[in-house]
Amino acid sequence: SALTQPASVSGSPGQSITISCTGSSSDIGAFNYVSWYQQHPGKAPTLMIFEVSNRPSRVSDRFSGSKSGNTASLTISGLHTEDEADYYCSSYTSTGTYVIFGGGTKLTVL
Amino acid sequence: QVQLVQSGTGVKKPGASVKVSCKASGYTFTNYGISWVRQAHGQGLEWVAWVSTYNGNTNFAQRFKDRVTMTTDTSTSTAYMELKSLRSDDTAVYFCARDRGSSLFDLWGQGTQVTVSS
Repeated sequence: SALTQPASVSGSPGQSITISCTGSSSDIGAFNYVSWYQQHPGKAPTLMIFEVSNRPSRVSDRFSGSKSGNTASLTISGLHTEDEADYYCSSYTSTGTYVIFGGGTKLTVL
Repeated sequence: QVQLVQSGTGVKKPGASVKVSCKASGYTFTNYGISWVRQAHGQGLEWVAWVSTYNGNTNFAQRFKDRVTMTTDTSTSTAYMELKSLRSDDTAVYFCARDRGSSLFDLWGQGTQVTVSS
């Protein structure tokens, strides 16, 4: 089954927000293979965080990732209006599906 | 330019098949696998399948195992996904993504809308 994310979060420009992603001992809890993707409306997803806390070079250091037990988190600090998008977590899984995604979180920057 | 470019929109009738292409450029095609991910309108992402561009090995989400065929053409750096016995709930945007392993998709195609309707 899918990883569990809040349906929506919101924040004001300059603030920080955190999006959680809860899985199980077969995915997030077992492997450090959690990724986060940003998706703007009508666009393809883009990779923001990989292997729990690593950032591709093009991604701002305002984005950070962490993990505790079966829950991963994405934190965005110093919110910009262009951060408004859907965010998806994913994890490698040992259940045979290979990779599962969260249901997505809509970030609104007020 | 490093990119994946997918084929265009398809409209199919229930029971038919659709074949979506994904052409890679700007990197060595056989160095990374290709995964396919779909997204129904207003819904989340769903992993469909993976293909090794090096040796053609494949892996499928269980629910697609009997209906999906994936191939690659290394001479044109193109990956293909064919989905058979289409149903209305297969209507979605299908993305190909460069797969670096372990759920790390670092490059995505623009997406291909597949609509299944009678």
